[in-house]
Amino acid sequence: DVKVTQSSRYLVKRTGEKVFLECVQDMDHENMFWYRQDPGLGLRLIYFSYDVKMKEKGDIPEGYSVSREKKERFSLILESASTNQTSMYLCASSLSTGPYEQYFGPGTRLTVT
Amino acid sequence: GESVGLHLPTLSVQEGDNSIINCAYSNSASDYFIWYKQESGKGPQFIIDIRSNMDKRQGQRVTVLLNKTVKHLSLQIAATQPGDSAVYFCAEIPNQAGTALIFGKGTTLSVSS
Repeated sequence: DVKVTQSSRYLVKRTGEKVFLECVQDMDHENMFWYRQDPGLGLRLIYFSYDVKMKEKGDIPEGYSVSREKKERFSLILESASTNQTSMYLCASSLSTGPYEQYFGPGTRLTVT
Repeated sequence: GESVGLHLPTLSVQEGDNSIINCAYSNSASDYFIWYKQESGKGPQFIIDIRSNMDKRQGQRVTVLLNKTVKHLSLQIAATQPGDSAVYFCAEIPNQAGTALIFGKGTTLSVSS
């Protein structure tokens, strides 16, 4: 079974802090994704990566950056956390050649105070 | 940009009833569609998928119907159980590249005993 793990289930940070969210997948998937999920807005894509050291902006990349130094690991970085980044963050991975379903981690609920 | 939406934000059914959750998509070039289930506190979980060259696909207690003429997707759950209570998302992949999914906002299914 595919397993996608995220470093924390719950995280509380202060405004202005630098925040790292880590995601690891164990199925050798090429594609990895970061989403945020907010009530009434659904899942919105922040960044994705289709290969090591490659990244593409999603729909809402402002205030975020990413790092993919190894195939299995994709990190989301909040350079200076703000209260409007309080959200549920979901990581996912998929194969590049199909099937194209994305496998999700359990999510990190981040609160910025 | 393109978007995938759901007709109803909430659906309440009695245990044992059949449930139908609908989704409209806007990109006629989309080739691949997925339904996800998200239980409280968990990441989305794959239920069933369908390609654009199919009209219907069946799984265990679930059926997905695709009507490309009106760009409509539905998920039918037979004999709905309390454990089916969750948020259901449809998602599309607009091309063959298998990168980012476009998600609808979700329908919350509540099953009462």
